[in-house]
Amino acid sequence: AQSVTQLGSHVSVSEGALVLLRCNYSSSVPPYLFWYVQYPNQGLQLLLKYTSAATLVKGINGFEAEFKKSETSFHLTKPSAHMSDAAEYFCAVSLTGGGNKLTFGTGTQLKVEL
Amino acid sequence: EAGVAQSPRYKIIEKRQSVAFWCNPISGHATLYWYQQILGQGPKLLIQFQNNGVVDDSQLPKDRFSAERLKGVDSTLKIQPAKLEDSAVYLCASSLELAGEQFFGPGTRLTVL
Repeated sequence: AQSVTQLGSHVSVSEGALVLLRCNYSSSVPPYLFWYVQYPNQGLQLLLKYTSAATLVKGINGFEAEFKKSETSFHLTKPSAHMSDAAEYFCAVSLTGGGNKLTFGTGTQLKVEL
Repeated sequence: EAGVAQSPRYKIIEKRQSVAFWCNPISGHATLYWYQQILGQGPKLLIQFQNNGVVDDSQLPKDRFSAERLKGVDSTLKIQPAKLEDSAVYLCASSLELAGEQFFGPGTRLTVL
């Protein structure tokens, strides 16, 4: 069985500041990990995914995440927050690289302030 | 390319009533998923179809929920009768193949009073 834990249901940053959203996973087999973003009244959009090719994964909109096996973490970062980054972010784990049978975390709401 | 379409976008019903949601996946996508997203939680997979066959419905409350994808294209999810705890956003997603990247629709927000 696999699961993910997202620390912090709400994160607030200033525009231009570093964004750090935390995700820790639990998996009995090597995991495939994903970050999704959900804007208000919209469906989820894939930001990036880790499928064991490289531990540092770059995604869309300037986001990246680093897979750290020793820490069982897959934190999402962005060097400089923009107002348009305000959304809810979900970490997810799957047994397959394509994203079949996704198990999601509870989400982190990111607020970006001027 | 058109995305995943869902309707209605919002629905308010009273408990014990019935409700149905519709999903039209991206053209050519063989795999279709229904998720339930309760406020404050991540999406939870209810059922997964491959063409018109069910791959996984282990988390579908089958005493009240049903879903079909008769022609392997669009799908309907039904709740009968609805309970207060069914209030949630119901998300549909599709992927080109069984282990492919999932593309999500905007969801249907259900409120059960």
